Amino acid sequence: ETGVTQSPTHLIKTRGQQVTLRCSSQSGHNTVSWYQQALGQGPQFIFQYYREEENGRGNFPPRFSGLQFPNYSSELNVNALELDDSALYLCASGFTGREQYFGPGTRLTVT
Amino acid sequence: GDSVTQMEGPVTLSEEAFLTINCTYTATGYPSLFWYVQYPGEGLQLLLKATKADDKGSNKGFEATYRKETTSFHLEKGSVQVSDSAVYFCALSVPGRDDKIIFGKGTRLHILP
Repeated sequence: ETGVTQSPTHLIKTRGQQVTLRCSSQSGHNTVSWYQQALGQGPQFIFQYYREEENGRGNFPPRFSGLQFPNYSSELNVNALELDDSALYLCASGFTGREQYFGPGTRLTVT
Repeated sequence: GDSVTQMEGPVTLSEEAFLTINCTYTATGYPSLFWYVQYPGEGLQLLLKATKADDKGSNKGFEATYRKETTSFHLEKGSVQVSDSAVYFCALSVPGRDDKIIFGKGTRLHILP
């Protein structure tokens, strides 16, 4: 049990739609990172937020965006969904330079 | 760029067998190395880590030693149990601007009773 929660657990969307995934970090954590895990692959870093600002980004297009709020919650938004966006989305929270704690993930299916 | 390569699975062993999952890495700087485990339907759990050369990480009977000369971080366990069945990910993180973790593709482990 890491204290990091994500919602919803599962989600089905249609190509071209927009989706918002949510994460609730452990109280006090100042970073939140999002990862995309395609079926049979390792997680890929999307971006990290630190004190509500984007602090680093992986090789993902601008239609992937995020928000971090002062109450330790955060969002991952994906616009113009594509079939290849189907994956498990993981958030991880922690303190800068220290261990990251992962949530259980949201499984997104795009049809 | 930085990367992790781990042996492909699935790996199938009998209970009480010895386990080795190979992992090698490429990184600039001085990475920290990790093994994560993912049980069916769950998120990632940190299994063990090592932050500098020759460090040994250990947890729940699993061990891995940070070998800088061979750029390796192989996972070992002397006697596996059915409950160890899961997907194991080798990963690294290079200290810097963000806490990006770079993962290998994962190795699925099946333990037969």
